[in-house]
Amino acid sequence: GAVVSQHPSWVICKSGTSVKIECRSLDFQATTMFWYRQFPKQSLMLMATSNEGSKATYEQGVEKDKFLINHASLTLSTLTVTSAHPEDSSFYICSARDQGSYNEQFFGPGTRLTVL
Amino acid sequence: TQLLEQSPQFLSIQEGENLTVYCNSSSVFSSLQWYRQEPGEGPVLLVTVVTGGEVKKLKRLTFQFGDARKDSSLHITAAQPGDTGLYLCAGARDIGGKLIFGQGTELSVKP
Repeated sequence: GAVVSQHPSWVICKSGTSVKIECRSLDFQATTMFWYRQFPKQSLMLMATSNEGSKATYEQGVEKDKFLINHASLTLSTLTVTSAHPEDSSFYICSARDQGSYNEQFFGPGTRLTVL
Repeated sequence: TQLLEQSPQFLSIQEGENLTVYCNSSSVFSSLQWYRQEPGEGPVLLVTVVTGGEVKKLKRLTFQFGDARKDSSLHITAAQPGDTGLYLCAGARDIGGKLIFGQGTELSVKP
């Protein structure tokens, strides 16, 4: 149990385009999902907390108009990187918190974004 | 300010050796998780500790939560090449709160 999927696993796009990444909890419902960014050999950096049916909460320094988050159902959250630029290239990882768990977050496999 | 200090950040050892990774904080956590991550993949949950002084074992891995719930350690006995990866500790200050991650420990076990 506690499986989280992400799609796509990797994407290459041109500068100025928008990219949508999906995060799904496959075998449990998640009222809260999280989006992280990770640079090589570094730890995870929380970008935002996605709450089902309400607006996402963004961490300080993360542009909400740049990184649009939608959590329309208990099993799906999406992150859209708008007008992507090369500096947005990174490994993006989502996680979902099982409603019955003690703060345990289960992570997706990540999405490698490369902006040319 | 890093709320959860993880050390060492890099560790390269020979197969069969033992090692310990530490996570320390001046803050109290309601729970603490340990994850292992391989390159190009998401972190995989290894264990959750919630009670001060708690010790959990997962095969050759032993996890301990400090009595005051401010620190934790991961001890690996007789490390194997398959243990190679990035180990992350993460704590939650409040129930239902966001996780605070340590800097990570890059472990390399050479055959």
